[in-house]
Amino acid sequence: AQTVTQSQPEMSVQEAETVTLSCTYDTSESDYYLFWYKQPPSRQMILVIRQEAYKQQNATENRFSVNFQKAAKSFSLKISDSQLGDAAMYFCAYRSWYENNNAGNMLTFGGGTRLMVKP
Amino acid sequence: NAGVTQTPKFRVLKTGQSMTLLCAQDMNHEYMYWYRQDPGMGLRLIHYSVGEGTTAKGEVPDGYNVSRLKKQNFLLGLESAAPSQTSVYFCASRGLYYEQYFGPGTRLTVT
Repeated sequence: AQTVTQSQPEMSVQEAETVTLSCTYDTSESDYYLFWYKQPPSRQMILVIRQEAYKQQNATENRFSVNFQKAAKSFSLKISDSQLGDAAMYFCAYRSWYENNNAGNMLTFGGGTRLMVKP
Repeated sequence: NAGVTQTPKFRVLKTGQSMTLLCAQDMNHEYMYWYRQDPGMGLRLIHYSVGEGTTAKGEVPDGYNVSRLKKQNFLLGLESAAPSQTSVYFCASRGLYYEQYFGPGTRLTVT
């Protein structure tokens, strides 16, 4: 079974600065998907960014980018020019490539990192 | 588009009572999911559906039942609520690129 680990329970960043959130995962599969989700105080889970394991290029969405290191099984999220609205819980999640079993329909989540943004 | 909606937003049950949580999506997605989130943890999959009329067990299915009679709706039932089922419940549907879109959550307390 896959596991996802977020080793930083809490992080803080000054507004306009850059912060990196860590995520590592354990899998024996060679193809899979990785995601970062944001959960603000409203509780809504919002997709931030996704990465397919077969792609070498790191995904980028505006101020959000990832550093995907497949061999190291690492998938960190970098937030540039941090804004007050970025304050939230951030969850890293793994999804198997394969469809026809539970693993292909599960998102396995890490325990989350609470990001605080200081004005 | 409303996306994914959940009813109700909050509920308090006594042990042994039953209830149904309703999830609706207007994105014509085939796949739908029910998760629970406990304090300090990520989400865990309860049940899922790969299309109308189908359901399957996820990681933590015990004590829950589901039905998918219509493509846009996915119902989660608790037949006899227990305090261990106190949690926040999220419904999600799956988009074209395997990303999941989540509803706003239902906070359930079982006393």
